Amino acid sequence: EAQVTQNPRYLITVTGKKLTVTCSQNMNHEYMSWYRQDPGLGLRQIYYSMNVEVTDKGDVPEGYKVSRKEKRNFPLILESPSPNQTSLYFCASRPPDTPYNEQFFGPGTRLTVL
Amino acid sequence: SQQGEEDPQALSIQEGENATMNCSYKTSINNLQWYRQNSGRGLVHLILIRSNEREKHSGRLRVTLDTSKKSSSLLITASRAADTASYFCATDAGGTSYGKLTFGQGTILTVHP
Repeated sequence: EAQVTQNPRYLITVTGKKLTVTCSQNMNHEYMSWYRQDPGLGLRQIYYSMNVEVTDKGDVPEGYKVSRKEKRNFPLILESPSPNQTSLYFCASRPPDTPYNEQFFGPGTRLTVL
Repeated sequence: SQQGEEDPQALSIQEGENATMNCSYKTSINNLQWYRQNSGRGLVHLILIRSNEREKHSGRLRVTLDTSKKSSSLLITASRAADTASYFCATDAGGTSYGKLTFGQGTILTVHP
């Protein structure tokens, strides 16, 4: 089944404790992206990757890192999480062929930073 | 900044009625997409309309796009309780922004049986 998977789905952590949220897609998509969703703000893009070893900042990259060593994986790293990073996070991927294709979203990771 | 602004923020209707949601945006776009999100879950793509299209249909969904007014609307006809969800518009500016979607705040639709 074609899908985007994220792990963990739920995470409660404490301020300053490094964490990684994994994202994997099995559709051979080149483009992958991370969003965070907060009440009243919709979804905002954190980072995106056009292909392996090519990443760039989105609208709200502060406090996050990403890496793209393989096409299928695009982990989101919080080196020193803070309470304002409590949010619902989504990974998405998109096929490369035309500019009109929709994005496929993962199920989300609900992160709480105490 | 938020590209899309959606109206209304919340909509409550009875089963069988039509639901209309509106989206306005600020800059030029390559295409506009609508997504649905069931409570706390991932987004599911519903329909995409290109900047050179004015109307598009998919099942009970009808989307219009007015690039002169920088606005779009999503109409769900003969709504069902299962349509209860949040609906988001997302714009794709294309070009160097290829792949990036800018989302509105969403409309919460509640369909009462």
